[in-house]
Amino acid sequence: EAGVTQFPSHSVIEKGQTVTLRCDPISGHDNLYWYRRVMGKEIKFLLHFVKESKQDESGMPNNRFLAERTGGTYSTLKVQPAELEDSGVYFCASSQVPGVTNEKLFFGSGTQLSVL
Amino acid sequence: AQSVTQLGSHVSVSEGALVLLRCNYSSSVPPYLFWYVQYPNQGLQLLLKYTSAATLVKGINGFEAEFKKSETSFHLTKPSAHMSDAAEYFCAVSDQTGGFKTIFGAGTRLFVKA
Repeated sequence: EAGVTQFPSHSVIEKGQTVTLRCDPISGHDNLYWYRRVMGKEIKFLLHFVKESKQDESGMPNNRFLAERTGGTYSTLKVQPAELEDSGVYFCASSQVPGVTNEKLFFGSGTQLSVL
Repeated sequence: AQSVTQLGSHVSVSEGALVLLRCNYSSSVPPYLFWYVQYPNQGLQLLLKYTSAATLVKGINGFEAEFKKSETSFHLTKPSAHMSDAAEYFCAVSDQTGGFKTIFGAGTRLFVKA
């Protein structure tokens, strides 16, 4: 069974450019989460999809970040325009059953984003 | 609001020594608690989770954690460290007041000396 896949693994862009991160969850997993870790700090929640619907986007930093999950399969996270403080590792995670708070999360390896 | 505090960003032990990684949580309702591990160039993997059954939870690779409500703690231990345990460990909490998201701590990097 394939795990959670994230692409690209690394991205280096200049301030003001646009970057799109992609996450392919485990097949059949309705829950998809985006998290971000900046400079060795805590892994911060960004948002949660249940299928194609945004369940909770309370962690999105600002309107430069746009997440989509068309068709309830893969998800993209676009940053436009990117700022220096957006640098960090972006993790995607998925789990199977909506409405369960104690479910195990399956993580991708993350995308290391560097904004210069 | 939920939160997690991991005491010590780095812990170093000798091979064969006890591993103790500390985690304190804040939650207004009974929490679910987790420990995840991240090896280099990999995603986080679940080590163990507490879901209000036994307070002593056993996980993979010989790790265990004890839920102590009075101390709001969920410390991770392993009796004898192995070189392969070198990794970063994250404590996490979720509960119904936080919706269905899991909140993570800042992580503790474990170094194991030969």
